Amino acid sequence: SQQGEEDPQALSIQEGENATMNCSYKTSINNLQWYRQNSGRGLVHLILIRSNEREKHSGRLRVTLDTSKKSSSLLITASRAADTASYFCATALSGTYKYIFGTGTRLKVLA
Amino acid sequence: DVKVTQSSRYLVKRTGEKVFLECVQDMDHENMFWYRQDPGLGLRLIYFSYDVKMKEKGDIPEGYSVSREKKERFSLILESASTNQTSMYLCASSLGLAGSRGSYNEQFFGPGTRLTVL
Repeated sequence: SQQGEEDPQALSIQEGENATMNCSYKTSINNLQWYRQNSGRGLVHLILIRSNEREKHSGRLRVTLDTSKKSSSLLITASRAADTASYFCATALSGTYKYIFGTGTRLKVLA
Repeated sequence: DVKVTQSSRYLVKRTGEKVFLECVQDMDHENMFWYRQDPGLGLRLIYFSYDVKMKEKGDIPEGYSVSREKKERFSLILESASTNQTSMYLCASSLGLAGSRGSYNEQFFGPGTRLTVL
């Protein structure tokens, strides 16, 4: 699998429910970031969690990082139709300044 | 707010043409990136620049070159466009560290250019 691989590939939920997406990676990282992409548009940065952090919150977003398992999760609480988008994790590899993006999770929130 | 703009939203070119994709950012960021995005493959880094006239190859540089003559502008050049370069091209920028080759800060993306090569 690729560095920064998201799971599931697609997720469909009702408005008001929580959405959880997972990301796995392979090598040592400096930080891990989550981005959102609305259909056919550029990516928007959501949250950054550093390798020495375990959990971070931003509004309705909660991100966890488990470096021992090389995995992260993004939780969106009380989802809204406007949250419908693709979500990508990106890992900033230690020792380089390259970012490795996963293939994304397509989230659909039904009104 | 950081603004990253790309010269075209949609572009159609013919095989063999030389193609220029322009990207401009207005926040004095040191780092700029070019990615291509294809279904099932996610974003793949083509080139990265951490300063004016400085560049590094990404994961898929073949068939591409870049130019960064001014800090705010990063150009991607397809020397001889081919059909397998049909893709969405995304430019991004991020704040760097003075005297350092890059940084680990968040990236700000442009809206993308959807290029079709016939």
